[in-house]
Amino acid sequence: QSVLTQPPSASGTPGQRVTISCSGGNSNIGRNTVNWYQQLPGAAPKLLMYKSNQRPSGVPDRFSGSRSGTSASLAISGLQSEDEADYYCAAWDESLDGYVFGTGTKVTVL
Amino acid sequence: QVQLQESGPGLVKPSETLSLTCTVSGASVSSYYWSWVRQPPGKGLEWIAYVYKSGSTRYNPSLKSRATISLDMSKNQFSLRLTSVTAADTAVYYCTKHNVVPVLEEGLDVWGQGTTVTVSS
Repeated sequence: QSVLTQPPSASGTPGQRVTISCSGGNSNIGRNTVNWYQQLPGAAPKLLMYKSNQRPSGVPDRFSGSRSGTSASLAISGLQSEDEADYYCAAWDESLDGYVFGTGTKVTVL
Repeated sequence: QVQLQESGPGLVKPSETLSLTCTVSGASVSSYYWSWVRQPPGKGLEWIAYVYKSGSTRYNPSLKSRATISLDMSKNQFSLRLTSVTAADTAVYYCTKHNVVPVLEEGLDVWGQGTTVTVSS
């Protein structure tokens, strides 16, 4: 099972702000930055955020990330229908000496 | 831009070896790190391993005894072998790229479309 825990689901109406949490420990989020991935239905994952709060080119600034202690979060402001997807956090775990993904959160736009 | 394409058998028998190849275009395999990630049906993502030209490799501890990742610079490809497969290895397998920075802090920034592997007799 994953060492990074996310809520299974989150939802909001168009235009609302949605926040997804990612809870880890001292060996992963407590030591290293967090990456976030968006997986649209039937598609491969896409890098959405790196180094906890950096957006790759082309990612709208509606998406923002933060990290504090052993937790991280991804916020989607001005929620849009195309944001309906699964979202995964990930970080390097020093104890496992490997890259670990979160359990994933399904975002639904109501 | 960098593009990745997975290839390999879609069906593997239990106890046999799964072999996948990722063909890289738009970049040299000697320039970046390369990883495999898998996703069982209806489940989340699992990182399997990474490789770098220096021969540096890292494996998911839960798969380390069965997995081997390698580079073929002459063909600009990298590969994954997973031995003694069971139904639990049924998944979509993705090949991915990441930059030469510590602890994947810039993330897996390019992904292949994925290839479905089913383990069944």
